[in-house]
Amino acid sequence: DAKTTQPPSMDCAEGRAANLPCNHSTISGNEYVYWYRQIHSQGPQYIIHGLKNNETNEMASLIITEDRKSSTLILPHATLRDTAVYYCIVLSLNRDDKIIFGKGTRLHILP
Amino acid sequence: EAEVAQSPRYKITEKSQAVAFWCDPISGHATLYWYRQILGQGPELLVQFQDESVVDDSQLPKDRFSAERLKGVDSTLKIQPAELGDSAMYLCASALRGGNTGELFFGEGSRLTVL
Repeated sequence: DAKTTQPPSMDCAEGRAANLPCNHSTISGNEYVYWYRQIHSQGPQYIIHGLKNNETNEMASLIITEDRKSSTLILPHATLRDTAVYYCIVLSLNRDDKIIFGKGTRLHILP
Repeated sequence: EAEVAQSPRYKITEKSQAVAFWCDPISGHATLYWYRQILGQGPELLVQFQDESVVDDSQLPKDRFSAERLKGVDSTLKIQPAELGDSAMYLCASALRGGNTGELFFGEGSRLTVL
C-alpha cells in the first residue's frame, strides 16, 4: 500500500507556482520523500527527492516540514508542459524497499 | 541522453494468445524493473531483477506471466495466455546499483490491448 496521501487533482494557471501537497504521516526516520511525474502516454520521470532538508534542482523545489509528516513539491513557474500526474513516494534506501506508486495528483496547467 | 528502450510500443492481441515485451535498460544499470499500469492508476511493480537474478516477483501472476533477464542486460516479459484484464501499459525501468536507488529511469512503455 502507498504510504502517502495526495489530492486527486489540482489546477494551476500557467506562469504561476504550482504547489503540490503530500501527506506521509507514518514516515520513518530512514525514509526519503521522492517525487515523480508522468506525462500522458510516457513513463514516469524522476523529479527530486529529500530526507529532511529542503531541496532544489532545475525542475522543482521540495519543502519538507520539520516533523517530516508532509511535504510540498513546488514548480516555480508552471508551463503547459507541466500538465501531468505527480506521484509522491516514501522510500528507504534499504536493499529490499520498493518504489510503490499511489494514484498521484493530476495537475492541470491552465492557459 | 541514454534511454530505456522498450518494444513494441503498442500491441493488440486476442485473448488466449501469447505476447512478449522487450526492454533494454540504460547501459551499466544493474537493476531492472517491470511495472504494469492500468488506466487511471499508478504503476504496479511486477518483478525486479538485480543483474540476471530475480529479486522480487511476489506480484507477478506466475500462472501466466514470466520474466527473464538471461545475461543481465535486456529483459523479456511474457504473457501466455493473455486475458482481457491484462490490457494495460507495461513499463520497464532501470537503476544504477549503488547509486541513488530511488531514481528509476523509465521507458515509454508498451501498451497492450487484449480483445
